[in-house]
Amino acid sequence: DAKTTQPNSMESNEEEPVHLPCNHSTISGTDYIHWYRQLPSQGPEYVIHGLTSNVNNRMASLAIAEDRKSSTLILHRATLRDAAVYYCILIRGSQGNLIFGKGTKLSVKP
Amino acid sequence: GAVVSQHPSRVICKSGTSVKIECRSLDFQATTMFWYRQFPKQSLMLMATSNEGSKATYEQGVEKDKFLINHASLTLSTLTVTSAHPEDSSFYICSALGLAVAYNEQFFGPGTRLTVL
Repeated sequence: DAKTTQPNSMESNEEEPVHLPCNHSTISGTDYIHWYRQLPSQGPEYVIHGLTSNVNNRMASLAIAEDRKSSTLILHRATLRDAAVYYCILIRGSQGNLIFGKGTKLSVKP
Repeated sequence: GAVVSQHPSRVICKSGTSVKIECRSLDFQATTMFWYRQFPKQSLMLMATSNEGSKATYEQGVEKDKFLINHASLTLSTLTVTSAHPEDSSFYICSALGLAVAYNEQFFGPGTRLTVL
């Protein structure tokens, strides 16, 4: 599976937008871009996924570069509950395995 | 939404004993379930994938005789850590994938923290 690169940590202020970057320069045409997050001492939860077009859901937006070599998860208004480790994962095809990297630890300051 | 539960949430056992962890999909049928292990301050590591009614597929380096996985029904998978030792202490997390729920989305349980004394 193609690898992803994310910053180890990021900080945000409460109620401000957060842009979490992910590089995936070796992505293949059939790789889906998934984002999961893990709150402390909990199992991960799905955030969003996309293939080529930008995606929006109730939790976040996913902006995918035109060449698909990078993507950005956007939290429109960070809350304290958004403090978590965010994982950007590529999955080949329809229902492949999730291979978790180190992710980005997001801290949200009040 | 789709909910996955795990039981127990925490377990402490003596070295040499076996521990069983249950993973249940509460409101959907899970065709595939996954078991992960997470050590402190590390990421999740996939241990094995199980499909209902068939043998689990283990990742390289995971001992199948030590980590017994049973996926006997579409809503239940169990992980048994046999002859547990202190190095098996970890956070064990399951996830489930169902055809009837959101495409491509794995639903994770809350995790089970195992401490082996």
